[in-house]
Amino acid sequence: SYVLTQPPSVSVAPGKTARMTCGGDDIGSKTVHWYQQKSGQAPVLVIFSDSDRPSGIPERFSGSNSGNTATLTISRVEAGDEADFYCQVWDNSGDHYVFGPGTKVTVL
Amino acid sequence: EVPLVESGGGLVQPGGSLRLSCAASGFTFRNYWMHWVRQTPGKGLVWVSRISRDGSTTTYVDPVEGRFTIFRDNAKNTLFLQMNNLRAEDTALYYCAGSRDYDESFDYWGQGTLVTVSS
Repeated sequence: SYVLTQPPSVSVAPGKTARMTCGGDDIGSKTVHWYQQKSGQAPVLVIFSDSDRPSGIPERFSGSNSGNTATLTISRVEAGDEADFYCQVWDNSGDHYVFGPGTKVTVL
Repeated sequence: EVPLVESGGGLVQPGGSLRLSCAASGFTFRNYWMHWVRQTPGKGLVWVSRISRDGSTTTYVDPVEGRFTIFRDNAKNTLFLQMNNLRAEDTALYYCAGSRDYDESFDYWGQGTLVTVSS
């Protein structure tokens, strides 16, 4: 089955840029979605189809996907961005949905 | 308005059964593929099951295949998950989620309902 890898944690100072990766075999050929989950809350979609933002998601959130790595970037990080972030793909070979293990973003 | 509201969770003994419900509002439920996703406390997200817009197609993750059944009532804008022969490893917070197509993102999420399997 398809496996996604994410670094367990990323720390960033307010106002700086946070980048987190999502690794997978030829993930660039798949469509990647990203979800933000704040403590005690349900996940929220922040990036879909590699790099598109749902309405209501700030432009500070951006995504890219190529080769074996997809990346979520948060510019001008704010304290309210602190959360767990999960990448997700649909694995067409198994017709299943796969989530990465998540990256905890800590704002210093 | 919360688009999806789950209910039906609780404490059940191993081998027991539970039926989860997910009531949808604020979007055209019948136009969405619906899913169940679970999360063990302190752990990550795991997709569990999916159902097509008209309910004719269902898919399950291997550990629940044959024990869980997903179904929907489009007239009542409600999604269900019938869980039988529950195991301790099924203990989790269960979310329902909706996607516009089978290969698209989960646009809508509920707040989750907690299932605890323990003697």
